[in-house]
Amino acid sequence: QLVLTQSPSASASLGASVKLTCTLSSRHSSYAIAWHQQQPEKGPRYLMKVNSDGSHSKGDGIPDRFSGSSSGAERYLTISSLQSEDEADYYCQTWDTDVVFGGGTKLTVL
Amino acid sequence: EVQLVESGGGLVQPGGSLRLSCAASGITFSSYWMHWVRQAPGKGLVWVSRINTDGSSTSYADSVKGRFTISRDNAKNTLYLQMNSLRAEDTAVYYCARDWGLYYWGQGTLVTVSS
Repeated sequence: QLVLTQSPSASASLGASVKLTCTLSSRHSSYAIAWHQQQPEKGPRYLMKVNSDGSHSKGDGIPDRFSGSSSGAERYLTISSLQSEDEADYYCQTWDTDVVFGGGTKLTVL
Repeated sequence: EVQLVESGGGLVQPGGSLRLSCAASGITFSSYWMHWVRQAPGKGLVWVSRINTDGSSTSYADSVKGRFTISRDNAKNTLYLQMNSLRAEDTAVYYCARDWGLYYWGQGTLVTVSS
């Protein structure tokens, strides 16, 4: 079964960097994933797709502060120079015959 | 500019029906698979349904199978979700999204199932 696992919460200081992790079920370690951001009281926004080789393709207008990478079954979203507006829920998502979401990580900017 | 605009949400009694619409612009709508995703209050994102480019193939989450029907009208650039036999647990904001990576999202429409 295709499963994505995320930590429920993360925190980092204003101006610092944070790396969020999304782990694929072991049998699906070659799958690409997408990261989505959901700011409070807003709809989700596509950030980027991250492939198993670490390459990534960002959505329209996504700042350079956001980047993606991979290692094995793990897919990462790194946000540098954290700003207050980065405080949001971050969801990873993938697909085979249907779409699958991780449980989301709530990022707090201190 | 790509725009997906959902409509049709509202308050409905348990057992009732609603039809959601998602109007697309700025894309060649007929070229893309489309999805419905929902989010219950305070909860995470949950995939609901998907449809292929010409509407010949559909799939549903187990929680809505047999009650919801996804469809599309490529001439009108519009995606639909017919929701029947609604339950309290269907209360959520419903989003449409484009393609497998959900590269574009609508703003959502709220469905409240309550007596």
